[in-house]
Amino acid sequence: KAGVTQTPRYLIKTRGQQVTLSCSPISGHRSVSWYQQTPGQGLQFLFEYFSETQRNKGNFPGRFSGRQFSNSRSEMNVSTLELGDSALYLCASSLIGSSGNTIYFGEGSWLTVV
Amino acid sequence: TQLLEQSPQFLSIQEGENLTVYCNSSSVFSSLQWYRQEPGEGPVLLVTVVTGGEVKKLKRLTFQFGDARKDSSLHITAAQPGDTGLYLCAGAKGAQKLVFGQGTRLTINP
Repeated sequence: KAGVTQTPRYLIKTRGQQVTLSCSPISGHRSVSWYQQTPGQGLQFLFEYFSETQRNKGNFPGRFSGRQFSNSRSEMNVSTLELGDSALYLCASSLIGSSGNTIYFGEGSWLTVV
Repeated sequence: TQLLEQSPQFLSIQEGENLTVYCNSSSVFSSLQWYRQEPGEGPVLLVTVVTGGEVKKLKRLTFQFGDARKDSSLHITAAQPGDTGLYLCAGAKGAQKLVFGQGTRLTINP
């Protein structure tokens, strides 16, 4: 079956702009988690959605937001982009939740803020 | 606060050598997962261990979960250049989010 699909794969934005990233989970998976990965900080948890509800949230400012649709697809949005937001944004899906369950990652969306 | 500490952070060895990567914590986890990530790609799950003392083998890779479920190790025998990548451990604690270690960047030189 198809894996986790993230779009776009690469994008360049200017400081102050906003960006929306999309994630389609594995068919049948209801939980979607988002992570930010940078060389200095490693993998940082952003948030998790399950059945259209945010279930867990990491320590990121309010500029980072997300949502999940009824078909389990998810989007994350970053407003007022800063240079430090340049990172690989990873989406992961699992059947019922990231805790204690196997999560499967997409290939990520590379965001560069200039 | 980093709940999972991986060591070493960087490791560069010659093809054919053996190596061990460690993932340690003062916290107890209900399960622990190991991932490998190649440049430009997302992490790919290698194994999940759930029972204290559990040992799982995946070809030349051996994973062990500590008896107290606070630590884990990954041992690679006769490393090959294809083993090069970032190895991540991640622990699950009940209903809380998965916690990732900082990763071990492994380079196998031909």
